[in-house]
Amino acid sequence: GAVVSQHPSRVICKSGTSVKIECRSLDFQATTMFWYRQFPKQSLMLMATSNEGSKATYEQGVEKDKFLINHASLTLSTLTVTSAHPEDSSFYICSARPAGGADTQYFGPGTRLTVL
Amino acid sequence: DQQVKQNSPSLSVQEGRISILNCDYTNSMFDYFLWYKKYPAEGPTFLISISSIKDKNEDGRFTVFLNKSAKHLSLHIVPSQPGDSAVYFCAASEYNFNKFYFGSGTKLNVKP
Repeated sequence: GAVVSQHPSRVICKSGTSVKIECRSLDFQATTMFWYRQFPKQSLMLMATSNEGSKATYEQGVEKDKFLINHASLTLSTLTVTSAHPEDSSFYICSARPAGGADTQYFGPGTRLTVL
Repeated sequence: DQQVKQNSPSLSVQEGRISILNCDYTNSMFDYFLWYKKYPAEGPTFLISISSIKDKNEDGRFTVFLNKSAKHLSLHIVPSQPGDSAVYFCAASEYNFNKFYFGSGTKLNVKP
């Protein structure tokens, strides 16, 4: 099956620092990647949609200057949490939609971010 | 505003019995529905889907039922196995698949 990896799986950082999370589709090309955030006991909340080679589309209420998304290739998207604060602590999950496969998306294992 | 709702945060079922997980939605434009399974510290994995032109889709032990008039779908697992213990999310999308809306999940515990 299609595999999506995320790195790192867990990160702890100090308040005010920036953290980069990578999302890679390992065995397929993904024209579209999605970034979600999950709070405890809540649903996955879509943060932004990124298409390879173009600017990401952010959902309402998500600060694009705080959550920088880059989709530089068909297999890699990155999410950078800039000037992280404790309230940014969360579980971040990416997913990738295969080129030509519009009706599903494959999820990465997630990244647990803890901001001290 | 939660467009996809899973009102039962948890469900406990005996091994071998049927598990029924429910999901409600509010947007009549949703055209495609999916169920995902998630283990702790892992990303969700796709389980089964159904398009709005159908009312039932079956894959092995898993069957999804769709009641469009009630804006309700359910996932049936028969027979339930301890390995099915996980959090199950339902998700919905409009026809263009540009955005998926997720429910808050139901934690299923299948007791041996």
